[in-house]
Amino acid sequence: QVQLQESGPGLVKPSETLSLTCTVSGGSISTYYWNWIRQSPGKGLEWIGYIYYSGSTNYNPSLKSRVTISVDTSKNQFSLKLSSVTAADTAVYYCARESSVAFIAAAGTSYYYYMDVWGKGTTVTVSS
Amino acid sequence: DIQVTQSPSSLSASIGDRVTITCRASEGINSYLNWYQHKPGEAPKILIYGASSLQTGVPSRFSGSGSGTDFTLTISSLQPEDFATYFCQQSYSPPRTFGQGTQVDIK
Repeated sequence: QVQLQESGPGLVKPSETLSLTCTVSGGSISTYYWNWIRQSPGKGLEWIGYIYYSGSTNYNPSLKSRVTISVDTSKNQFSLKLSSVTAADTAVYYCARESSVAFIAAAGTSYYYYMDVWGKGTTVTVSS
Repeated sequence: DIQVTQSPSSLSASIGDRVTITCRASEGINSYLNWYQHKPGEAPKILIYGASSLQTGVPSRFSGSGSGTDFTLTISSLQPEDFATYFCQQSYSPPRTFGQGTQVDIK
C-alpha cells in the first residue's frame, strides 16, 4: 500500500524559502504525476503544481514565479520549494499521487486523472 | 482558470439521511470531476473519479453524477463514519481547481 509523508520545517521566516519533501513508501515513484496542494486557514484547497517522474512539471500560474518542484527517483522522494514567502503562504501543505484511467471518448482514447493517494499534510507557518 | 463552486458549505444530517452535494464548473469540463472525503488529521480520500466512477473499496452508498458544468455527489444513507468534509476537483485542465468544501456534521 503506497503511503506519502510530508516533511520539512514547520516555521519559515518571511522572505525566505519554504522547502518540503514528500517521501513515497510502499511503491515506486515512477509512472505517476506527483502533486503539491495547500490549504490556508479558512480557505479551500489550492493546487500548487505537479511533477512527472521523468521531471516535467506544471505549476499554478498564480505561484509559478516562486515555485520549484523536483523529483529524486533514487530516494523515492519529490520536493517543493516556494521562495519569498509571506504570511499568505501559511497553510497545511499536502503531497498527493495522481493516477489515470483510460477510457474511450469520441475522439479516441482519453484519461481521467485523480489524486488517489495523499499525505496527511504538514503545517507551515510563515512568521518572524 | 476553471472555477468550481460547491454548495452547500455545510449541512447537518442524521444517520440514514440521503445527502446531496453539488459542484458547478465555470465552463464545461465533460466528466473530468472528482470527489474526495477528508476527515481531520487524516489524508484526503478519493471517492469518485470521472464524475461517476466509484473508486475501488468505496461503499456503494456513495454515487456521483453529472457532466458539463453541473455535478452531484450523493450519499444514499448517511453512516456514522461519513461525517467529514467533502470536496470536488476538476481535472479537465491545469491548473487543477477545487471546490470550497462541504462539511457534513451530525444533526
